[in-house]
Amino acid sequence: GAVVSQHPSRVICKSGTSVKIECRSLDFQATTMFWYRQFPKQSLMLMATSNEGSKATYEQGVEKDKFLINHASLTLSTLTVTSAHPEDSSFYICSARDWTSSPPKNIQYFGAGTRLSVL
Amino acid sequence: KQEVTQIPAALSVPEGENLVLNCSFTDSAIYNLQWFRQDPGKGLTSLLLIQSSQREQTSGRLNASLDKSSGRSTLYIAASQPGDSATYLCAVRHATDSWGKLQFGAGTQVVVTP
Repeated sequence: GAVVSQHPSRVICKSGTSVKIECRSLDFQATTMFWYRQFPKQSLMLMATSNEGSKATYEQGVEKDKFLINHASLTLSTLTVTSAHPEDSSFYICSARDWTSSPPKNIQYFGAGTRLSVL
Repeated sequence: KQEVTQIPAALSVPEGENLVLNCSFTDSAIYNLQWFRQDPGKGLTSLLLIQSSQREQTSGRLNASLDKSSGRSTLYIAASQPGDSATYLCAVRHATDSWGKLQFGAGTQVVVTP
């Protein structure tokens, strides 16, 4: 099946630093990728939708200047948490939609997630 | 606004029993519904995808039903095993959402005891 690779799997950083998380679709083209955030024992909350070659669309309440998303190619989207603070500590998961297969599968495949801990 | 609810929040059963996990959604205008499994600290594994026109999907010991008009889906896992212990999430995609955003429930945490 389709594979989405997410790196790093775990990152620990000091408050005030920026952290970049990568999400790659390995064997399909993903015109659309999604970024989710998950707090302990809670469900996934969609943060933003990124479309290749255009600006990301952020969900209500998500700071776009805080969470920078770049979707520069059909196989790579990045999420940068700028000036991270302890309250940004969370589990971040990306997903990629396979929309270019023939016929289009229109299924989302998920990365393994990134555990961010801000000290 | 679509709301997705999963009941129960947690479930513990002895090995061999059948599992029944429920998912309800408030807006029946969905494109499809998907069941996922999440192991602690891990990403999501897709289990079953049901299109809005379908009533059920089966894969091995897993069977998922969909009643769109009443806003409900049920995931059945037959003859549970300790390896089935995980959190199970359901998610719906709205019929008019061309980008395919998924709305998730909070999940059911399942423990299967040997």
